[in-house]
Amino acid sequence: AQSVTQLGSHVSVSEGALVLLRCNYSSSVPPYLFWYVQYPNQGLQLLLKYTTGATLVKGINGFEAEFKKSETSFHLTKPSAHMSDAAEYFCAVRPPHTGGFKTIFGAGTRLFVKA
Amino acid sequence: GAVVSQHPSRVICKSGTSVKIECRSLDFQATTMFWYRQFPKKSLMLMATSNEGSKATYEQGVEKDKFLINHASLTLSTLTVTSAHPEDSSFYICSASPTGASGANVLTFGAGSRLTVL
Repeated sequence: AQSVTQLGSHVSVSEGALVLLRCNYSSSVPPYLFWYVQYPNQGLQLLLKYTTGATLVKGINGFEAEFKKSETSFHLTKPSAHMSDAAEYFCAVRPPHTGGFKTIFGAGTRLFVKA
Repeated sequence: GAVVSQHPSRVICKSGTSVKIECRSLDFQATTMFWYRQFPKKSLMLMATSNEGSKATYEQGVEKDKFLINHASLTLSTLTVTSAHPEDSSFYICSASPTGASGANVLTFGAGSRLTVL
């Protein structure tokens, strides 16, 4: 069975500092990988995804993530945090090549950005 | 882009009553939709997969008689919380992807519906 682990339920950074949110997955084959952001009382918005091809994926709002098969990781980074980045971030996995859309989410990491 | 609409965004009801939440794909057809439940400060828990024209597939531990799902058309799925109790209070989110899309395609999420049972 697939699973997702997000290390750190809370991450706090200063404005302008590097953002690093960690995600590790467990799967018998490399899954499709996603990062979503959720603002209070709202649904989820896709930041970026990895399916195949280049392992460094760029998303919206300056975020990027790198798929590392050897480490079974898909960490999310942003070079310089902005106050508007404060939100809940979810890493998610989906089994590849099955045509299905069943998506498993990690527990989430709340990002705090200090002025 | 693909848009999924949920209604209502907030609902308050009395214990013992039933509440229906709608999930609509506005600009695409969705054979399959998914219903998630999110507890405060927690992740999304997949409740069920809603299949157009057939019975929903429920995840282990989810009471199908409590959470009735109907997917009568390619653009509408409904979740009915029957005989709601305070412990059913939660944030319910639906998602969908266009019919025929590959598994690599992205799910589009609705904005969620916050249910409060008094």
